[in-house]
Amino acid sequence: GEDVEQSLFLSVREGDSSVINCTYTDSSSTYLYWYKQEPGAGLQLLTYIFSNMDMKQDQRLTVLLNKKDKHLSLRIADTQTGDSAIYFCAESKRRAGNMLTFGGGTRLMVKP
Amino acid sequence: DAMVIQNPRYQVTQFGKPVTLSCSQTLNHNVMYWYQQKSSQAPKLLFHYYDKDFNNEADTPDNFQSRRPNTSFCFLDIRSPGLGDAAMYLCATSRDPAGGLGEQFFGPGTRLTVL
Repeated sequence: GEDVEQSLFLSVREGDSSVINCTYTDSSSTYLYWYKQEPGAGLQLLTYIFSNMDMKQDQRLTVLLNKKDKHLSLRIADTQTGDSAIYFCAESKRRAGNMLTFGGGTRLMVKP
Repeated sequence: DAMVIQNPRYQVTQFGKPVTLSCSQTLNHNVMYWYQQKSSQAPKLLFHYYDKDFNNEADTPDNFQSRRPNTSFCFLDIRSPGLGDAAMYLCATSRDPAGGLGEQFFGPGTRLTVL
C-alpha cells in the first residue's frame, strides 16, 4: 500500500469543525506536516508536528498524532469558506534525507 | 518578501517540442526541488539539488533534466514532451533538510499543456 493515505473528500458547513485524517506506515517518520493547496496554486505549509509530540495547537488548527496507530489528524475549528482547498499530509524521515512523502490529498469543501 | 517564483505560470508546448520551466528563490536556501503534480494527485518528486549536487529520483524519466546555474535559479528541461507530461510543475526550496525540519517552501507552479 501507499506510504501515506488520506480520504479523498470532506464536506462541512461554515462554522463547523473539520477533521482531516491521515495514516502512514513508517514508524521512523521524523516530522509530519499539513500543507494546503488552493486551486491553481502551490502548496502552503500550515503546520507540522515532531514525531515525539502528541498534539500541537496553532490558532484554529489542532494536530493530533497517534504514534501507536500511525494516525495523524488536522482539526480546523470554525471552518470558513476560505478554508476550501486540498489538504496534503506529508512525512519526512531522517534516514531518507528528510525528503517529503505526500499523501494523495483531501479536498475540503465548505458550504455557506 | 522572500519567495519562490516560477515562470511562466502557464506554458503550452507541442508534442515533442523542448520546453524549459524556470524557478528562482530569494530565500538563499541550499536545496531546490522539482515536483510533478497531475490532477487530483500528490506531488511527485522528480529530482532535487543540494547546493550543486544533483539528485535524481529513480523513476524520473530521462526526458526530464535540470540545471542549477547558481543558488537562486533552477530550471526544468523537458526534452521531448509527451501528452502524459501535461501537469502542474512545482518548484520548492528548503534549508539543509538533514538538520531536522525539512520544511519546504513552494512556488505557485507552472501548468504545462502539451498539444
